[in-house]
Amino acid sequence: ELKVEQNPLFLSMQEGKNYTIYCNYSTTSDRLYWYRQDPGKSLESLFVLLSNGAVKQEGRLMASLDTKARLSTLHITAAVHDLSATYFCAVRPYSGGGADGLTFGKGTHLIIQP
Amino acid sequence: DAGVIQSPRHEVTEMGQEVTLRCKPISGHDYLFWYRQTMMRGLELLIYFNNNVPIDDSGMPEDRFSAKMPNASFSTLKIQPSEPRDSAVYFCASTQQGNTYEQYFGPGTRLTVT
Repeated sequence: ELKVEQNPLFLSMQEGKNYTIYCNYSTTSDRLYWYRQDPGKSLESLFVLLSNGAVKQEGRLMASLDTKARLSTLHITAAVHDLSATYFCAVRPYSGGGADGLTFGKGTHLIIQP
Repeated sequence: DAGVIQSPRHEVTEMGQEVTLRCKPISGHDYLFWYRQTMMRGLELLIYFNNNVPIDDSGMPEDRFSAKMPNASFSTLKIQPSEPRDSAVYFCASTQQGNTYEQYFGPGTRLTVT
């Protein structure tokens, strides 16, 4: 059974600081996703990571994937209040071809204070 | 382009009543997923379809839950009879054949069973 663990689950940080969210998963996977969810809202796709060593950046967020370690990171640079949200990583179990249901981590609730 | 459309957005019903949730995927997408989000269990996959055919329903909690996809542009998730423990936000997501299989989520239906 595929398990996805995120840490930390809660993070309160100050504007301007840097921090990293970690996502570990238990079985082989060929695709990893990061989503953002604002309170009472839906999930917004941030990044899709397809291969070992993949790195993607958008604004102050950067995501990376190490398939050998089964680890993905979401790094926040010089945090701003607008980045306050819950961040989920989700993993597609390796099944050869086609889409598949995603297994989600519990989410990291991020609060960025002025 | 319109995103994934779900209705109703909110549903309040009494225990024992039948509830039907509806989803319209993004046009051209051939995969449709139903997820449920609760504080206790997080985001869970319930069932998904490919080309209107159910592929994996192992996440459906029990026989009270059923899902159909009669055509490429419509799916329903039905709960009969509903119970208070079914209270959750139900998300529909869709994706298409390709490389990333990035899933796009609808706004969700917040179900409260009293």
